[in-house]
Amino acid sequence: DSGVTQTPKHLITATGQRVTLRCSPRSGDLSVYWYQQSLDQGLQFLIQYYNGEERAKGNILERFSAQQFPDLHSELNLSSLELGDSALYFCASSVDRAETYNEQFFGPGTRLTVL
Amino acid sequence: AQSVTQPDIHITVSEGASLELRCNYSYGATPYLFWYVQSPGQGLQLLLKYFSGDTLVQGIKGFEAEFKRSQSSFNLRKPSVHWSDAAEYFCAVGSTSGTYKYIFGTGTRLKVLA
Repeated sequence: DSGVTQTPKHLITATGQRVTLRCSPRSGDLSVYWYQQSLDQGLQFLIQYYNGEERAKGNILERFSAQQFPDLHSELNLSSLELGDSALYFCASSVDRAETYNEQFFGPGTRLTVL
Repeated sequence: AQSVTQPDIHITVSEGASLELRCNYSYGATPYLFWYVQSPGQGLQLLLKYFSGDTLVQGIKGFEAEFKRSQSSFNLRKPSVHWSDAAEYFCAVGSTSGTYKYIFGTGTRLKVLA
């Protein structure tokens, strides 16, 4: 158990819909990272938040957005869903207090299926 | 831009045999390198990491990896594989372009024969 929790575990929805994925980082971790894992794209970095503020963007679509709340949990919002958005979405957290790499701890993921 | 290549998509070994999973990276300076394992239905777990110093790095579960700058490689090894090692293995390099995010390879799926 990494200490990172993600809900829901599975999500099935239809094209055009909007969903919200939730992540609670490990206690004390300030950074939250979102990754998308799909069969054709592999594991791709989407976005990072640090202590409530967006720090970096990766291959995140404009239809997707995220935020980190004062209690440091984060939500990833996916809208106007398409079949190709079906994937496993991971959240990871890290301390990131120093200017160096810190281990990222991954949650169990949310499997999104768009029908 | 940084990149990571794992040339083997699938590898099958017999239980008790040795294992080597290949990872090549593209990076201008000394890289931050990681190996993660993903068991079926699970998240990713860090096996080991290399930041600097000794080029042979020991990790959890009996794994080790060797950083070879001349070959731009960071191969993962285990002398004797157990059936429970069947999983997908990801090599990652730490990006320095703006934030400390990882760039992952495409993964190697390991199958262990009894």
